[in-house]
Amino acid sequence: DQQVKQNSPSLSVQEGRISILNCDYTNSMFDYFLWYKKYPAEGPTFLISISSIKDKNEDGRFTVFLNKSAKHLSLHIVPSQPGDSAVYFCAASEGGGATNKLIFGTGTLLAVQP
Amino acid sequence: EPEVTQTPSHQVTQMGQEVILRCVPISNHLYFYWYRQILGQKVEFLVSFYNNEISEKSEIFDDQFSVERPDGSNFTLKIRSTKLEDSAMYFCASILGHLTDEKLFFGSGTQLSVL
Repeated sequence: DQQVKQNSPSLSVQEGRISILNCDYTNSMFDYFLWYKKYPAEGPTFLISISSIKDKNEDGRFTVFLNKSAKHLSLHIVPSQPGDSAVYFCAASEGGGATNKLIFGTGTLLAVQP
Repeated sequence: EPEVTQTPSHQVTQMGQEVILRCVPISNHLYFYWYRQILGQKVEFLVSFYNNEISEKSEIFDDQFSVERPDGSNFTLKIRSTKLEDSAMYFCASILGHLTDEKLFFGSGTQLSVL
């Protein structure tokens, strides 16, 4: 039951370059999407979100793009910094986020090389 | 920034024993959750709790699991008779309102090892 998939378990990027993390989903009832960042021995922390009525949301170095027809979203980090090295989880919710229940992907480990 | 606090950070138990994982959500939050992550797998929803009752639970959250908010500040997850497959990192989370308006905050987790 992989409703949210992150097909790249890891990604390595040079400092200053763009990091692109991808996420696909299968449940067409999902209408609110989030990215969380997780460091070892810590809980996930919220990064950025997007509603299905939008196709892009930007917050500083982080931009999330949503392609509803392809059931695909991506997180762009520009420029990447060594402190961005962490596991990134894509998550989805139904009901416009009103239920607050999140379905997570398996995560992508991002390594930003100095 | 406010924090969700979880104790203990590590818990080792024998199969068949009862464990209680403790959480102190952020003080004015209204919705509370338990998630877990088995090593190498995705973070999975277990249960949501609002207004002193379970609002939703997953298939994982069977009769061996229970949650309680005993005193208005703590939020606990009890596993009555632990199995080997219950070994995982358990995360507590809380939020004031809805995801579209508020942030969902996670604790640092309790690593449960069932031997």
